[in-house]
Order: sequence, then structure tokens, then C-alpha cells
Amino acid sequence: TQLLKQSPQFLSIQEGENLTVYCNSSSVFSSLQWYRQEPGEGPVLLVTVVTGGEVKKLKRLTFQFGDARKDSSLHITAAQPGDTGLYLCAGPRDSNYQLIWGAGTKLIIKP
Amino acid sequence: EAGVVQSPRYKIIEKKQPVAFWCNPISGHNTLYWYLQNLGQGPELLIRYENEEAVDDSQLPKDRFSAERLKGVDSTLKIQPAELGDSAVYLCASSAGLGTDTQYFGPGTRLTVL
Repeated sequence: TQLLKQSPQFLSIQEGENLTVYCNSSSVFSSLQWYRQEPGEGPVLLVTVVTGGEVKKLKRLTFQFGDARKDSSLHITAAQPGDTGLYLCAGPRDSNYQLIWGAGTKLIIKP
Repeated sequence: EAGVVQSPRYKIIEKKQPVAFWCNPISGHNTLYWYLQNLGQGPELLIRYENEEAVDDSQLPKDRFSAERLKGVDSTLKIQPAELGDSAVYLCASSAGLGTDTQYFGPGTRLTVL
């Protein structure tokens, strides 16, 4: 069974701090996607990582795909209140085109 | 370009009542998804359409849930009768193609069943 486990489930930090959240699986994924969801809105795609070991940067956000393509991390530098939201990772199921979703990390950045 | 449109944004009903949600995907997107999202959880796929054909509805509780996508554009998701446990956010998403194509989500409909 392909599952994605995200940690921590909840994180509350002060503005300006750095943080890392994780998306782990015992299964290999061909790619992983990271989404951010703000209250009252649907998830919005931030990035897709495809190659093992790949690192992608989106301003202060750094995404890394594990060498074995079983895990991914999201690092935020100098977090800002605008980074507050639910961060979700998702990957395609082997057998069909359905995305498997993690439960998300709820991030709160306090001013 | 307009995004995915959903209505209503909020719905409060008594249990055993019917309810319907509407979704208008991004123009030209052939694939449409309905998801259920409980508080603090990731989305769970209910049904996926390719044009007007439901190609993955294995997780749709067919005893009370139904969906349609007439003419392969707009879609409606219905629950009849609603139960207390159906309280959740119902998200609609669309993508141009399959697999890892970017899914664009609507804002969702928050359903509360009393």
C-alpha cells in the first residue's frame, strides 16, 4: 500500500525562524508534489519534484526529493506570516493516475 | 483566465436532507475530480471524470452519493440522504490531462450536516 506520512502534523513558530517539514513513504514514487492550502481555499501546487536527489527553490522555499524517491522535504528560510497554511504532499499511485495525499502539516507563523 | 468555480461555498442542512454541489472546471480541462477533505486532513478522491466518463469512482459511496458531468464540462455531486458524517469540505479540481498534470482546485464547499 502506498502511503505518504507528513511530519510534523502541526508547527507554530515565530516570524523569521527557519523550519523543515517532511513527507515520507516506504514506497518509491515517480514524482512528488507539494501544495499549500490556505483557510477557505483549495490546495495550490507549489512544485513537482521528479528526479531522485533533486532540489528546487521557490524564493525562500527549498524542496528536496530523496535519492531513493521515497521522501521529500520542504525547508522555509526566514518564515513570514504569509507562509501560514496547510502544506500537503502528493504523489501518483502506481496502478492508476490517482494522486495519493499526505495528511498535511499545518504551519502557523506568528508575527 | 477564470479558475475552478464551485457553488455554494457553504451549506448547512439537516440530516436526511439532500444536497448538491456544482463545479465549473477551467475551460478546456478534460479531467475533473471531486474530493472530500476532512479538517486537518488531505483530500480524498471521490470520483474522477475524463470528459463525461467517470473513469474512477471506486471510492464514491454509491448508496447515497451520485455525480454527473453532462457534456463533459460542468459537474454536479449529490448526496441523498445526507448523514452527520458527511460534514466536510467538498473540493472540485480539474486538469488538462492525466497523471501528474497539475490539478487546479476550486475553493470548495463546506458542508455542515446537523
